[in-house]
Amino acid sequence: ELKVEQNPLFLSMQEGKNYTIYCNYSTTSDRLYWYRQDPGKSLESLFVLLSNGAVKQEGRLMASLDTKARLSTLHITAAVHDLSATYFCAVYLSNYQLIWGAGTKLIIKP
Amino acid sequence: EAGVTQFPSHSVIEKGQTVTLRCDPISGHDNLYWYRRVMGKEIKFLLHFVKESKQDESGMPNNRFLAERTGGTYSTLKVQPAELEDSGVYFCASSQLAQPLNEQFFGPGTRLTVL
Repeated sequence: ELKVEQNPLFLSMQEGKNYTIYCNYSTTSDRLYWYRQDPGKSLESLFVLLSNGAVKQEGRLMASLDTKARLSTLHITAAVHDLSATYFCAVYLSNYQLIWGAGTKLIIKP
Repeated sequence: EAGVTQFPSHSVIEKGQTVTLRCDPISGHDNLYWYRRVMGKEIKFLLHFVKESKQDESGMPNNRFLAERTGGTYSTLKVQPAELEDSGVYFCASSQLAQPLNEQFFGPGTRLTVL
């Protein structure tokens, strides 16, 4: 069965702290996506990771991919309140489908 | 450039009624997808159009769901008759046919509540 497991599902943290969200998946894939969703808003694409060892950074967010371990991480550095949102990872299948993790609801307290 | 739009944003209906959701993709995007998130669970793929053709409808839960994309522009997703378990958020996404990353752009979703 195709599975994408995200953890934690809920994360409350203080501003200024660092933390990592993990995304494990059970199938081979040539790409993995990270999306962000603010309440009532669209899913916003953050990163597309295409190869083993890929690392991408945007501001305080950094995503990495290990295709051998079937693991992707989203690292938050020195969190700020504006990063509060729900974060999803999604694994791409060759038939255009995306298989999604359950999402991590991130709350960053001032 | 306008993003993916969905209508309505919210819909509350009673069990047994019919509801039609609409999605307008980004202009020029031939790929259109429907996804659903039920009760805070994973987002699940429903189906994929390429222009007006259904490329993959393997995720459609049952024959109470009918999706159309006449003319290859906007799409509708009809649920008839609606059941309680159909409640959730229905997302639409679109992408360009020839875009190598197949980055999918999402609408804000329609929150469907079946009472």
